[in-house]
Amino acid sequence: ELKVEQNPLFLSMQEGKNYTIYCNYSTTSDRLYWYRQDPGKSLESLFVLLSNGAVKQEGRLMASLDTKARLSTLHITAAVHDLSATYFCAVDGQGGSEKLVFGKGTKLTVNP
Amino acid sequence: AAGVIQSPRHLIKEKRETATLKCYPIPRHDTVYWYQQGPGQDPQFLISFYEKMQSDKGSIPDRFSAQQFSDYHSELNMSSLELGDSALYFCASTLRTVGETQYFGPGTRLLVL
Repeated sequence: ELKVEQNPLFLSMQEGKNYTIYCNYSTTSDRLYWYRQDPGKSLESLFVLLSNGAVKQEGRLMASLDTKARLSTLHITAAVHDLSATYFCAVDGQGGSEKLVFGKGTKLTVNP
Repeated sequence: AAGVIQSPRHLIKEKRETATLKCYPIPRHDTVYWYQQGPGQDPQFLISFYEKMQSDKGSIPDRFSAQQFSDYHSELNMSSLELGDSALYFCASTLRTVGETQYFGPGTRLLVL
């Protein structure tokens, strides 16, 4: 059974600081996704990572993928309050299934 | 750009009632997924359809059923509702090509009293 683990689950940080969220998954997978969710809202796609060594950046967020270590990271640079949200990583299911298996999410709070 | 449309956005039902949730995928997307997200939880996969055929099934109760119609919209039918069915229900759609992400709709918030 595919398992996806994120850490930390809760992250409180000051504006201007850097931090990294980690996502480990248990079996090989074709794709890894990062989503953002604001309270009571939908999931917004941030990144899709397709291959080993893939790195994508958008604004203050940068995601990377190491398929050998089954690890993805979401790095936050110089955090601002608007980044406060819950961030989920997700992986394609096994056996060619395209259903997403999500991590528990990281609730990020950026304090002024 | 067009997004995934879900209706209704909010729904209140009594125990043992039925509910029907609707999803209209992004035009030209051929795959639809349904997910359930409880309070403070991660989304859990329920069921998916590719080209109007069921393609995968997750932890969907037998009380729930779903289908995708000729116009690609999908409906999730929920019967004998229980208190524990209260959750956000998301529909997502994608075009089944390599690298395409799943785009999520705004969700239907179901409250069972």
